[in-house]
Amino acid sequence: DAMVIQNPRYQVTQFGKPVTLSCSQTLNHNVMYWYQQKSSQAPKLLFHYYDKDFNNEADTPDNFQSRRPNTSFCFLDIRSPGLGDAAMYLCATSSRTGSPQHFGDGTRLSIL
Amino acid sequence: QKEVEQNSGPLSVPEGAIASLNCTYSDRGSQSFFWYRQYSGKSPELIMSIYSNGDKEDGRFTAQLNKASQYVSLLIRDSQPSDSATYLCAVIYFSVGGTSYGKLTFGQGTILTVHP
Repeated sequence: DAMVIQNPRYQVTQFGKPVTLSCSQTLNHNVMYWYQQKSSQAPKLLFHYYDKDFNNEADTPDNFQSRRPNTSFCFLDIRSPGLGDAAMYLCATSSRTGSPQHFGDGTRLSIL
Repeated sequence: QKEVEQNSGPLSVPEGAIASLNCTYSDRGSQSFFWYRQYSGKSPELIMSIYSNGDKEDGRFTAQLNKASQYVSLLIRDSQPSDSATYLCAVIYFSVGGTSYGKLTFGQGTILTVHP
């Protein structure tokens, strides 16, 4: 089945140690999104790509970066994770802006 | 700031009853409306999308949209314990200008519990 795949499902890293989360999709969608979701909160958009066009949210910390080397893959890099970055990170895709978004299973990030 | 408001609940209904989840939104420029279901520790799953006024039915789920009242709802008929989850209302705004164009804005979610 076509889907959005996130790896790893669980990631533990040390305070300040860089970490990379990955997302791949077989839907051939143009748009890919990264969200951060903390407990009992709604998902918060960090950034998105329309094809290769990168769009950063104004309140996304500089500590968060993203790469999209091709249509299928997108990466979230956290350069120096702090305790406040512990959260579920969700990747989503849509065929175009405004169409339904489909989420991967998420990566739960823990910071030691 | 574009807003989507939901009653956080929890909403508790008996098995077999109709669960009614409500959502209001702040901008008349909104064009697309979605309901996502999220089980604890899992990612959101799209269950309904609705784009025009009226009702849209899919199995036990009915989405209702009233753009004049800026109101969207989700009805779950014959509720089952497996429906127990957080339901997220989400809206895409297409009003001209601002930074919310084309982006999915979520409500805080309503926790639904269906008890046997």
